[in-house]
Amino acid sequence: AQSVTQLGSHVSVSEGALVLLRCNYSSSVPPYLFWYVQYPNQGLQLLLKYTTGATLVKGINGFEAEFKKSETSFHLTKPSAHMSDAAEYFCAVSGPGTYKYIFGTGTRLKVLA
Amino acid sequence: EAQVTQNPRYLITVTGKKLTVTCSQNMNHEYMSWYRQDPGLGLRQIYYSMNVEVTDKGDVPEGYKVSRKEKRNFPLILESPSPNQTSLYFCASYSTGLGGNEQFFGPGTRLTVL
Repeated sequence: AQSVTQLGSHVSVSEGALVLLRCNYSSSVPPYLFWYVQYPNQGLQLLLKYTTGATLVKGINGFEAEFKKSETSFHLTKPSAHMSDAAEYFCAVSGPGTYKYIFGTGTRLKVLA
Repeated sequence: EAQVTQNPRYLITVTGKKLTVTCSQNMNHEYMSWYRQDPGLGLRQIYYSMNVEVTDKGDVPEGYKVSRKEKRNFPLILESPSPNQTSLYFCASYSTGLGGNEQFFGPGTRLTVL
C-alpha cells in the first residue's frame, strides 16, 4: 500500500525567503515520487520527479527535492521565493509496475511582499 | 501540441440528470485516469484505465462509470448525479517506461449538481 502525507495545508513565506514544503510517503515498492503545482484555475503540471538514480532532483522554476529513503521523505525546496510561486503544491507517489497514483492533500503556498 | 482536453469546462446540472464529461489525449498514452479534487482532500482517483477495454476502480468510484473504447478517449459518466458529486474533475494520461509515470493533466471540469 502507498500513502502520502503533506505537512501543512498552508505555508506563507516572504519574497526572497527559503521555501520548504514537506512530504512523507509510505510505499511497499520502490517509489516513484512527484511534485506537481497547480496555479489558480488551472490543471496540475509536473515540477519534478524521482524514479531512480540521483536522489537530489532539480525541477522547473528553481525548485528541487531530495529523496531520503531512511526518512521516507521527499521535501520540496527553493532557495528564494518569488511572487509567481504562489500556488498549490501536491506530492504524489506511484511506482514501477503499479497503475495507482496517490496524491497528498496539497499545500497552498502564499508569498508575501 | 501534446495535450489532454476535457469538455465541458464548467457544468451546472440537477440531481438525477445523466451527464458525460469527455476526455481526450493526443500522446498515445496507454494509461488514463479520472480524479476529483475537493478542498482539504487533495486529488482522489475515481477510475483508471490501463488500455482499451481495460479499466479499474480507484479510491472513490461510487456513482461514476467509465469506458475506454478508443485509446485516446476516456469519458466519465454520471448516470444519476447527486449534490455530493459537486467537485472539480481532472482527467490525466501517462505512459510508463522512460517517463516514469509522469502524468499529464487536462484543464479540469467544474461540476455543480443542484
